[in-house]
Amino acid sequence: ETGVTQTPRHLVMGMTNKKSLKCEQHLGHNAMYWYKQSAKKPLELMFVYSLEERVENNSVPSRFSPECPNSSHLFLHLHTLQPEDSALYLCASSQGRTGGHGYTFGSGTRLTVV
Amino acid sequence: AQKVTQAQTEISVVEKEDVTLDCVYETRDTTYYLFWYKQPPSGELVFLIRRNSFDEQNEISGRYSWNFQKSTSSFNFTITASQVVDSAVYFCALWHGGATNKLIFGTGTLLAVQP
Repeated sequence: ETGVTQTPRHLVMGMTNKKSLKCEQHLGHNAMYWYKQSAKKPLELMFVYSLEERVENNSVPSRFSPECPNSSHLFLHLHTLQPEDSALYLCASSQGRTGGHGYTFGSGTRLTVV
Repeated sequence: AQKVTQAQTEISVVEKEDVTLDCVYETRDTTYYLFWYKQPPSGELVFLIRRNSFDEQNEISGRYSWNFQKSTSSFNFTITASQVVDSAVYFCALWHGGATNKLIFGTGTLLAVQP
């Protein structure tokens, strides 16, 4: 496999459930990101990991918990979500955090909270 | 403050028409990068182009062309002879370094190309 792979592609969960989103990159990149894409809003950067260390957390509620066990994998653990958390969650990776390289994105996980 | 504005929410054209997607950015940095991404219905953001702030040359790649003008802080994207496969949401993005060091996106423009 190549590029950035996200699973599952679609997820429906109740507000009391616990689930995890998975992201895997096969590009040898050392930085990974979680973005949230809601309708008619700019993409919101949630978390940034660089060399497996979380370097940014943009005031994301604690019901979202990221994990980066190694440079190829990134998880987003979800618990007690709200309906307004329904969105497309996109994972991205880059080589270093300097902007010149751009980001490579996965296809996203479409999350619906019921 | 750093910001990217894509004023066109939706554009609809008929196949073979030319279409320009507008992007206006704000930044105080002198070194920055501008990007365009395409998001088809499958969801993945596909990288189209990167431009650094010191290179104002326009670029053409097949049917795609980009016009970067620092004087107006704009980085517009033109598709010539549009095709149905061009239908997607297009995002303009700005990266700047310093303390922020992040990629900032506009709200996107939904392009619908009708056959």
